[in-house]
Amino acid sequence: DAGVIQSPRHEVTEMGQEVTLRCKPISGHNSLFWYRQTMMRGLELLIYFNNNVPIDDSGMPEDRFSAKMPNASFSTLKIQPSEPRDSAVYFCASSPRPSLAQKPYNEQFFGPGTRLTVL
Amino acid sequence: AQSVTQPDIHITVSEGASLELRCNYSYGATPYLFWYVQSPGQGLQLLLKYFSGDTLVQGIKGFEAEFKRSQSSFNLRKPSVHWSDAAEYFCAVGGSARQLTFGSGTQLTVLP
Repeated sequence: DAGVIQSPRHEVTEMGQEVTLRCKPISGHNSLFWYRQTMMRGLELLIYFNNNVPIDDSGMPEDRFSAKMPNASFSTLKIQPSEPRDSAVYFCASSPRPSLAQKPYNEQFFGPGTRLTVL
Repeated sequence: AQSVTQPDIHITVSEGASLELRCNYSYGATPYLFWYVQSPGQGLQLLLKYFSGDTLVQGIKGFEAEFKRSQSSFNLRKPSVHWSDAAEYFCAVGGSARQLTFGSGTQLTVLP
């Protein structure tokens, strides 16, 4: 199993540009989570999907952020326009279907992250 | 609402010494508890988890944690620390919902 795959691993962009981060969850997992990690705020949950449907997006900082999950094997997090304060490491994580997993069902498997720098 | 407190932001130990990282949680029912480790430039990796049964759980890399309901704690321990254990450690709590609540992390430095 390849684990959770994220791309790109590093992104450097200029303020005002659109940024798209990509995530491929582990096959068979039906929940997907996007997190942001900074020194100041730690690990923050931005949004999570269950069966490709957004369940809780209360952590999305503002309308410049959007996330989609068009199918079970792909999700994107988009920032448009980007700002320097968006610089952070963005993680994607997935969880298995409860019917296929041992308890506790909400174990999350993390990707390696995307380090975003907005100049 | 559930919450996790890791009271130690940074801990320094000498290689070979024992280690205990503290975690206190707040949750209304029986919690699911996790410890994750994050090495520099890496994602979070699961060390161990607890959901029921024996309150002392064993994990990878020689780590263990003990669930104490009366103290709302789930402290992580290792009898002898190795230099490769230097990393950031996160405690997390979950319940019936799919999402986890993470603590703010404890940075571990290991001295030679």
